Amino acid sequence: QVQVVESGGGVVQPGTSLRLSCAASGFTFSTYDMHWVRQAPGKGLEWAAFISYDGGTKHYADSVKGRFTISRDNSKNTLYLQMNSLRAEDTSVYYCVRGKDRWLQSRFDYWGQGTLVTVSS
Amino acid sequence: SYELTQPPSVSVSPGQRARITCSGDALPKKYAYWYQQKSGQAPVLVIYEDNKRPSGIPERFSGSRSGTMATLTISGAQVEDEADYYCYSTDSSGNQGVFGGGTKLTVL
Repeated sequence: QVQVVESGGGVVQPGTSLRLSCAASGFTFSTYDMHWVRQAPGKGLEWAAFISYDGGTKHYADSVKGRFTISRDNSKNTLYLQMNSLRAEDTSVYYCVRGKDRWLQSRFDYWGQGTLVTVSS
Repeated sequence: SYELTQPPSVSVSPGQRARITCSGDALPKKYAYWYQQKSGQAPVLVIYEDNKRPSGIPERFSGSRSGTMATLTISGAQVEDEADYYCYSTDSSGNQGVFGGGTKLTVL
């Protein structure tokens, strides 16, 4: 069965870095676009980043552009999110999400359970 | 930056029709998608490409789009449909994804 499992969340200080990972299984990872979607505590969903199936195309929300980098290792079936210069407003549950269709006009058909990132001094 | 606007809350009695709207300037040319999120759970897709229903989603869920507005309709809402609902689409360039602010549906 299709599974995406996030890891790497935790409590960090403002201005520091953190890398999230998402281990995918049960499908041919290298043929699917992937996304990160985040949700601040008690708030709504926010799309954060996109990477194409081959890693050749990436897009970011304005709120994370220049600070976050999405990447993937298709040989390891793993998606990453490198988060630098973290701010208090980045505190969120981060979901790894599979895109069923190409690009951003896509169904998000499988979601992980999320990993919580807390940015606090 | 681009925004999708939803009403914060909608309330209906069991068996009534619930309508949740989502407005955005790019919607005339971009699909809308709808997600249901129950407390403490990951979101679930309930409508894609404006009006298509994934397998396993009850027929009472339907979607439509007209001009700058997309609408999720739950015909005969059930107590188990209580959840937050989010629309999703992209900006006109297609390079940024956007979720609406979410609508809390109360069925009581």
